[in-house]
Amino acid sequence: GQQVMQIPQYQHVQEGEDFTTYCNSSTTLSNIQWYKQRPGGHPVFLIQLVKSGEVKKQKRLTFQFGEAKKNSSLHITATQTTDVGTYFCAGPRGSGNTGKLIFGQGTTLQVKP
Amino acid sequence: GAGVSQTPSNKVTEKGKYVELRCDPISGHTALYWYRQSLGQGPEFLIYFQGTGAADDSGLPNDRFFAVRPEGSVSTLKIQRTERGDSAVYLCASSPTGSTGYNEQFFGPGTRLTVL
Repeated sequence: GQQVMQIPQYQHVQEGEDFTTYCNSSTTLSNIQWYKQRPGGHPVFLIQLVKSGEVKKQKRLTFQFGEAKKNSSLHITATQTTDVGTYFCAGPRGSGNTGKLIFGQGTTLQVKP
Repeated sequence: GAGVSQTPSNKVTEKGKYVELRCDPISGHTALYWYRQSLGQGPEFLIYFQGTGAADDSGLPNDRFFAVRPEGSVSTLKIQRTERGDSAVYLCASSPTGSTGYNEQFFGPGTRLTVL
């Protein structure tokens, strides 16, 4: 069945280091979304990418959508302790236009001050 | 404005019991989703409502799970004959429309269900 995989599962970095998480889908996606979940919290929407090869930036965060629309990445430059949390990518689940999502298992980022 | 709210925040029950979990979406959002999140995993889709109707219940694991949204706003997820494997955080999300085109989903804080 349809799968969305993320690597790595965990990442520990020193504050100020960069961080990247990669997302791979078994199927071509019409769009991809990224969410952040703080420890003990709920997922919070970060961004949606729609176009093949699209790159979007939010301050220190850079999001990319692959040319084949089957992979994506999130890169954080100069991490801060406020970046701690789990980052999920998510794409449309199955066919149809319902907005339901299939999530990756997430990458948990720990930042040492 | 108010976000998505869910009650209770925690529910502990015994195996075999019936539970109801409530979700209050953002006012005006027509699309409502239920997800289940186990430890160390991403949210897993359960059911989607567009207005009052269950437009897609393909993610419900079995017939012990049922959800309603009678007036197109508040939704209740119902689990019969709970099993220990049902223990998880149940998340509700709403969206202005149920379109795949642009579909930022706003999540509630979740209900942590523990089945003893």
